[in-house]
Amino acid sequence: DAGVTQSPTHLIKTRGQHVTLRCSPISGHKSVSWYQQVLGQGPQFIFQYYEKEERGRGNFPDRFSARQFPNYSSELNVNALLLGDSALYLCASSLDRRGYTFGSGTRLTVV
Amino acid sequence: AQSVTQPDIHITVSEGASLELRCNYSYGATPYLFWYVQSPGQGLQLLLKYFSGDTLVQGIKGFEAEFKRSQSSFNLRKPSVHWSDAAEYFCAVGPKSGGSYIPTFGRGTSLIVHP
Repeated sequence: DAGVTQSPTHLIKTRGQHVTLRCSPISGHKSVSWYQQVLGQGPQFIFQYYEKEERGRGNFPDRFSARQFPNYSSELNVNALLLGDSALYLCASSLDRRGYTFGSGTRLTVV
Repeated sequence: AQSVTQPDIHITVSEGASLELRCNYSYGATPYLFWYVQSPGQGLQLLLKYFSGDTLVQGIKGFEAEFKRSQSSFNLRKPSVHWSDAAEYFCAVGPKSGGSYIPTFGRGTSLIVHP
C-alpha cells in the first residue's frame, strides 16, 4: 500500500504569493492533519480534517486554510506568503486516534 | 492544555553506548504516547506507541520506551546505539477521547553519534 503522499516535495515562492500544498492519505484513512515544522522545532499543528469537516485548528493566521475532498485527499493553502512561512509542511493521515502516519513533507522556501 | 517537554536539545553518545531520551508530559489524564524519528529533510517515522497495559513498550530498530505514570514520563531507550540512529527524535501525546485527536509534539532531541 502507498503511504502518505505529499506534493510538491520542494518549492520556492516569493513574498506575497499564494501556495497550495497537496496530500493524499493512506487508503482507508479518513482523517488528515497538517503540521508546520520550522527548522530546529517540533511540528506545530495547523489543521485536522475528518470526513471533509474541520475537526481542529491550530494557532495560525487566517492566511492559512485547508480543505478535504470526497476522496479524503487534502489541500493546504497559504495566502500572502511571508518569509516566516518558510518551513517543512507535513501531512499525517490516520484511521483513528491511535496512529498517525506522516508523509515526507513539502519544503517551502519563501524569498 | 496538554504539553510535552523534551529537556535535552542535543544528546551525544558513542556508537555502541546505551541511550536514554527523556520525555515528560502534562495532561489531564493518561494520553496516548508516541515516539517518532526524523532523518534530515524527511518526514516522521513512528518508532513506538503506548496506549495501555504493559508499561514497557517495544518498537522498531531496537528501541523501547517505559511509561511511568507517577512521573508523567515516557523515556525512550536503546541498549546499543548505531551510527545510523543519528537523527531527530520527537515525543508526542494524543488525547484518548474527545471530538478531535490532535497529537502535540515536543521540540525534539537531536541525537549525535560518535564513531
